[in-house]
Amino acid sequence: GQNIDQPTEMTATEGAIVQINCTYQTSGFNGLFWYQQHAGEAPTFLSYNVLDGLEEKGRFSSFLSRSKGYSYLLLKELQMKDSASYLCASLLGNNRLAFGKGNQVVVIP
Amino acid sequence: GAGVSQSPSNKVTEKGKDVELRCDPISGHTALYWYRQSLGQGLEFLIYFQGNSAPDKSGLPSDRFSAERTGGSVSTLTIQRTQQEDSAVYLCASSQRAGTDTQYFGPGTRLTVL
Repeated sequence: GQNIDQPTEMTATEGAIVQINCTYQTSGFNGLFWYQQHAGEAPTFLSYNVLDGLEEKGRFSSFLSRSKGYSYLLLKELQMKDSASYLCASLLGNNRLAFGKGNQVVVIP
Repeated sequence: GAGVSQSPSNKVTEKGKDVELRCDPISGHTALYWYRQSLGQGLEFLIYFQGNSAPDKSGLPSDRFSAERTGGSVSTLTIQRTQQEDSAVYLCASSQRAGTDTQYFGPGTRLTVL
């Protein structure tokens, strides 16, 4: 089976930096996606990593280590609008995405 | 251009009834996916279509679930004889091609089975 693990919830202060971790054990691996999902809305694409290392995109960065089955999403200069669930998803060899349960980030003033 | 659209946005039905959920993918996207998101759970893959190839139905939870995609565009997910455990948000996504191309999600249909 597919196993994608994320912490369930974290709270952080506006302006801070938060790191959201994801570990995965999947059959077949073609990359790691991060999505943001606000309550009641569709998931929106944040990043895709297929090679080891850090990809930076504005306030958001994503890191992948294939040998460790590990990824993280780094959010800098947190804003209130960043309060959302962050979904980690592994792209399997059969073109499916296997999702974790999501990490709910609550940003407080 | 427009994103992925789904209808209805909300559907309340009685146990045992059939329901149809519709998805309009982004124009030109050849791959279309259906997922289910139950309360407190991650997105669960149901089925995907790639061009004119036979769909990958291996995620469908039972034979009460079926989906079709007409003309390589609009897709309909049908649930027959609905059960209370079918209550969830049903999300559709499309991508230019299957594989590493980013999947873009629609707003979902919230299905409640009474």
